[in-house]
Amino acid sequence: AAGVIQSPRHLIKEKRETATLKCYPIPRHDTVYWYQQGPGQDPQFLISFYEKMQSDKGSIPDRFSAQQFSDYHSELNMSSLELGDSALYFCASSQRDGYYEQYFGPGTRLTVT
Amino acid sequence: SQKIEQNSEALNIQEGKTATLTCNYTNYSPAYLQWYRQDPGRGPVFLLLIRENEKEKRKERLKVTFDTTLKQSLFHITASQPADSATYLCALLGRSGGSYIPTFGRGTSLIVHP
Repeated sequence: AAGVIQSPRHLIKEKRETATLKCYPIPRHDTVYWYQQGPGQDPQFLISFYEKMQSDKGSIPDRFSAQQFSDYHSELNMSSLELGDSALYFCASSQRDGYYEQYFGPGTRLTVT
Repeated sequence: SQKIEQNSEALNIQEGKTATLTCNYTNYSPAYLQWYRQDPGRGPVFLLLIRENEKEKRKERLKVTFDTTLKQSLFHITASQPADSATYLCALLGRSGGSYIPTFGRGTSLIVHP
Protein backbone atom coordinates (compact mmCIF):
# COMPACT_ATOMS: atom_id res chain seq x y z
CA ALA A 1 0.00 0.00 0.00
CA ALA A 2 1.15 3.53 -0.72
CA GLY A 3 2.55 5.44 2.22
CA VAL A 4 3.37 9.04 2.97
CA ILE A 5 6.52 10.13 1.17
CA GLN A 6 8.86 12.77 2.51
CA SER A 7 11.91 14.30 0.94
CA PRO A 8 14.67 14.75 1.56
CA ARG A 9 15.24 12.16 4.27
CA HIS A 10 18.28 13.98 5.61
CA LEU A 11 19.24 17.62 5.34
CA ILE A 12 22.17 19.54 6.72
CA LYS A 13 22.02 23.31 6.74
CA GLU A 14 23.95 26.11 8.35
CA LYS A 15 22.51 28.75 10.67
CA ARG A 16 20.52 31.44 8.91
CA GLU A 17 20.04 29.31 5.79
CA THR A 18 16.66 28.22 4.45
CA ALA A 19 15.25 24.73 3.97
CA THR A 20 12.27 23.27 2.17
CA LEU A 21 10.77 19.95 3.18
CA LYS A 22 8.33 18.13 0.95
CA CYS A 23 5.49 15.75 1.74
CA TYR A 24 3.40 13.59 -0.55
CA PRO A 25 0.32 12.26 1.26
CA ILE A 26 -1.37 8.93 0.71
CA PRO A 27 -3.62 9.12 -2.37
CA ARG A 28 -7.16 10.28 -1.56
CA HIS A 29 -6.13 11.60 1.85
CA ASP A 30 -7.44 15.14 2.19
CA THR A 31 -5.59 16.34 5.29
CA VAL A 32 -1.88 16.88 5.83
CA TYR A 33 -0.15 17.58 9.14
CA TRP A 34 3.39 18.68 9.97
CA TYR A 35 5.13 17.76 13.24
CA GLN A 36 8.51 18.52 14.75
CA GLN A 37 10.14 16.00 17.08
CA GLY A 38 13.30 16.82 19.00
CA PRO A 39 15.46 14.06 20.53
CA GLY A 40 13.55 12.27 23.28
CA GLN A 41 10.60 14.59 22.81
CA ASP A 42 7.02 14.05 21.77
CA PRO A 43 5.95 15.10 18.27
CA GLN A 44 4.91 18.75 18.37
CA PHE A 45 2.18 19.77 15.98
CA LEU A 46 3.13 22.62 13.67
CA ILE A 47 0.36 23.12 11.11
CA SER A 48 -2.24 21.24 9.08
CA PHE A 49 -4.09 21.62 5.81
CA TYR A 50 -7.46 20.33 4.74
CA GLU A 51 -8.27 20.42 1.05
CA LYS A 52 -5.35 22.80 0.43
CA MET A 53 -6.49 25.31 3.03
CA GLN A 54 -4.77 25.81 6.38
CA SER A 55 -7.00 24.22 8.99
CA ASP A 56 -5.12 24.20 12.30
CA LYS A 57 -2.04 25.97 13.51
CA GLY A 58 0.17 24.76 16.34
CA SER A 59 3.57 25.84 17.56
CA ILE A 60 4.93 26.82 14.17
CA PRO A 61 7.50 29.63 14.39
CA ASP A 62 6.92 32.74 12.31
CA ARG A 63 10.12 31.85 10.41
CA PHE A 64 8.35 28.79 9.04
CA SER A 65 5.58 28.68 6.47
CA ALA A 66 3.78 25.88 4.73
CA GLN A 67 1.33 25.30 1.96
CA GLN A 68 -0.52 22.54 0.21
CA PHE A 69 -0.62 22.43 -3.55
CA SER A 70 -3.28 21.43 -6.05
CA ASP A 71 -1.86 17.88 -6.24
CA TYR A 72 -2.17 17.70 -2.41
CA HIS A 73 1.55 17.60 -1.76
CA SER A 74 2.73 19.97 0.93
CA GLU A 75 5.91 21.92 1.56
CA LEU A 76 7.31 23.28 4.79
CA ASN A 77 9.55 26.26 4.24
CA MET A 78 11.96 27.16 7.00
CA SER A 79 14.00 30.34 6.97
CA SER A 80 16.68 31.89 9.18
CA LEU A 81 17.44 28.44 10.55
CA GLU A 82 18.61 28.18 14.14
CA LEU A 83 20.50 25.42 15.91
CA GLY A 84 17.32 24.62 17.85
CA ASP A 85 15.52 23.76 14.63
CA SER A 86 17.54 20.55 14.39
CA ALA A 87 14.95 17.80 14.72
CA LEU A 88 12.96 15.16 12.91
CA TYR A 89 10.14 16.65 10.87
CA PHE A 90 7.23 14.39 10.17
CA CYS A 91 4.41 14.77 7.76
CA ALA A 92 1.21 12.81 8.31
CA SER A 93 -1.93 12.46 6.27
CA SER A 94 -5.46 11.32 6.96
CA GLN A 95 -8.97 11.33 5.62
CA ARG A 96 -11.21 13.82 7.38
CA ASP A 97 -13.76 11.11 8.07
CA GLY A 98 -11.14 8.50 8.91
CA TYR A 99 -11.66 8.48 12.65
CA TYR A 100 -8.59 10.66 13.06
CA GLU A 101 -6.21 7.88 12.08
CA GLN A 102 -3.05 9.59 10.93
CA TYR A 103 -0.44 7.94 8.75
CA PHE A 104 3.04 9.29 9.30
CA GLY A 105 5.84 9.54 6.81
CA PRO A 106 9.41 8.42 7.50
CA GLY A 107 10.46 11.93 8.45
CA THR A 108 13.16 14.36 7.42
CA ARG A 109 16.10 14.69 9.77
CA LEU A 110 17.24 18.30 9.71
CA THR A 111 20.59 19.17 11.20
CA VAL A 112 21.50 22.83 11.56
CA THR A 113 25.18 23.53 12.14
CA SER B 1 -2.10 23.51 31.27
CA GLN B 2 -2.81 20.17 29.60
CA LYS B 3 -0.39 17.48 30.54
CA ILE B 4 0.12 13.90 29.36
CA GLU B 5 2.32 11.64 31.44
CA GLN B 6 3.91 8.44 30.29
CA ASN B 7 6.56 6.61 32.23
CA SER B 8 9.92 7.90 31.05
CA GLU B 9 11.68 4.81 32.32
CA ALA B 10 11.95 1.94 29.88
CA LEU B 11 9.83 -1.11 30.59
CA ASN B 12 11.85 -4.32 30.39
CA ILE B 13 9.95 -7.59 30.19
CA GLN B 14 10.57 -11.16 29.20
CA GLU B 15 9.24 -12.57 25.95
CA GLY B 16 5.81 -14.14 26.34
CA LYS B 17 4.77 -11.90 29.23
CA THR B 18 2.15 -9.16 29.07
CA ALA B 19 3.46 -5.62 28.80
CA THR B 20 1.35 -2.88 30.38
CA LEU B 21 2.01 0.77 29.61
CA THR B 22 0.30 3.70 31.32
CA CYS B 23 -0.87 7.06 30.05
CA ASN B 24 -2.15 9.61 32.57
CA TYR B 25 -3.45 13.04 31.72
CA THR B 26 -4.51 16.17 33.55
CA ASN B 27 -6.46 19.30 32.63
CA TYR B 28 -7.89 17.55 29.60
CA SER B 29 -11.19 15.96 28.66
CA PRO B 30 -10.43 14.12 25.44
CA ALA B 31 -13.06 12.73 23.13
CA TYR B 32 -10.59 10.17 21.83
CA LEU B 33 -7.37 8.58 22.92
CA GLN B 34 -4.89 6.95 20.55
CA TRP B 35 -1.86 4.74 20.91
CA TYR B 36 1.02 4.81 18.43
CA ARG B 37 4.19 2.77 18.06
CA GLN B 38 7.42 4.55 17.12
CA ASP B 39 10.70 2.92 16.19
CA PRO B 40 13.95 4.93 16.41
CA GLY B 41 14.25 7.54 13.67
CA ARG B 42 10.90 6.60 12.14
CA GLY B 43 7.42 8.07 12.13
CA PRO B 44 4.76 6.98 14.62
CA VAL B 45 2.48 4.17 13.49
CA PHE B 46 -1.17 4.30 14.52
CA LEU B 47 -2.27 1.28 16.56
CA LEU B 48 -5.62 1.88 18.26
CA LEU B 49 -8.19 4.57 18.94
CA ILE B 50 -10.64 4.46 21.84
CA ARG B 51 -13.54 6.83 22.39
CA GLU B 52 -14.46 8.49 25.67
CA ASN B 53 -17.58 6.35 26.01
CA GLU B 54 -15.65 3.10 25.47
CA LYS B 55 -14.05 1.27 28.36
CA GLU B 56 -11.95 -1.21 26.43
CA LYS B 57 -10.81 -1.97 22.91
CA ARG B 58 -8.93 -4.95 21.52
CA LYS B 59 -6.96 -5.64 18.36
CA GLU B 60 -5.15 -8.93 18.06
CA ARG B 61 -2.61 -8.99 20.95
CA LEU B 62 -3.32 -5.39 21.90
CA LYS B 63 -5.80 -4.15 24.47
CA VAL B 64 -6.49 -0.57 25.50
CA THR B 65 -8.56 0.61 28.44
CA PHE B 66 -9.79 4.14 28.99
CA ASP B 67 -10.93 5.42 32.37
CA THR B 68 -12.12 9.01 32.08
CA THR B 69 -12.70 9.22 35.83
CA LEU B 70 -9.13 8.28 36.66
CA LYS B 71 -7.93 10.15 33.53
CA GLN B 72 -5.90 7.14 32.57
CA SER B 73 -5.40 4.71 29.73
CA LEU B 74 -3.65 1.37 29.97
CA PHE B 75 -2.11 -0.28 26.92
CA HIS B 76 -1.49 -4.02 27.08
CA ILE B 77 0.50 -6.24 24.74
CA THR B 78 -0.09 -9.90 25.47
CA ALA B 79 2.36 -12.67 24.56
CA SER B 80 5.00 -10.03 23.93
CA GLN B 81 7.75 -10.63 21.39
CA PRO B 82 11.17 -9.00 20.90
CA ALA B 83 9.71 -7.41 17.73
CA ASP B 84 7.34 -5.45 19.99
CA SER B 85 10.32 -3.49 21.33
CA ALA B 86 9.69 0.15 20.48
CA THR B 87 8.48 3.40 22.02
CA TYR B 88 4.74 3.63 22.52
CA LEU B 89 3.06 7.03 22.46
CA CYS B 90 -0.38 7.92 23.66
CA ALA B 91 -2.19 10.87 22.14
CA LEU B 92 -5.34 12.75 23.11
CA LEU B 93 -7.80 14.37 20.76
CA GLY B 94 -10.81 16.59 20.90
CA ARG B 95 -13.15 18.10 23.46
CA SER B 96 -10.78 20.47 25.36
CA GLY B 97 -10.19 23.42 23.06
CA GLY B 98 -12.12 21.63 20.36
CA SER B 99 -9.08 20.56 18.35
CA TYR B 100 -8.89 17.09 16.88
CA ILE B 101 -5.17 17.36 16.34
CA PRO B 102 -3.46 14.71 18.51
CA THR B 103 -1.52 15.93 21.51
CA PHE B 104 1.20 13.38 22.14
CA GLY B 105 2.88 12.16 25.27
CA ARG B 106 6.63 11.56 25.24
CA GLY B 107 6.18 7.82 25.08
CA THR B 108 7.44 4.84 27.01
CA SER B 109 10.16 2.60 25.67
CA LEU B 110 9.34 -1.11 25.78
CA ILE B 111 12.15 -3.66 25.60
CA VAL B 112 11.17 -7.30 25.26
CA HIS B 113 13.98 -9.71 26.06
CA PRO B 114 14.13 -13.09 24.33
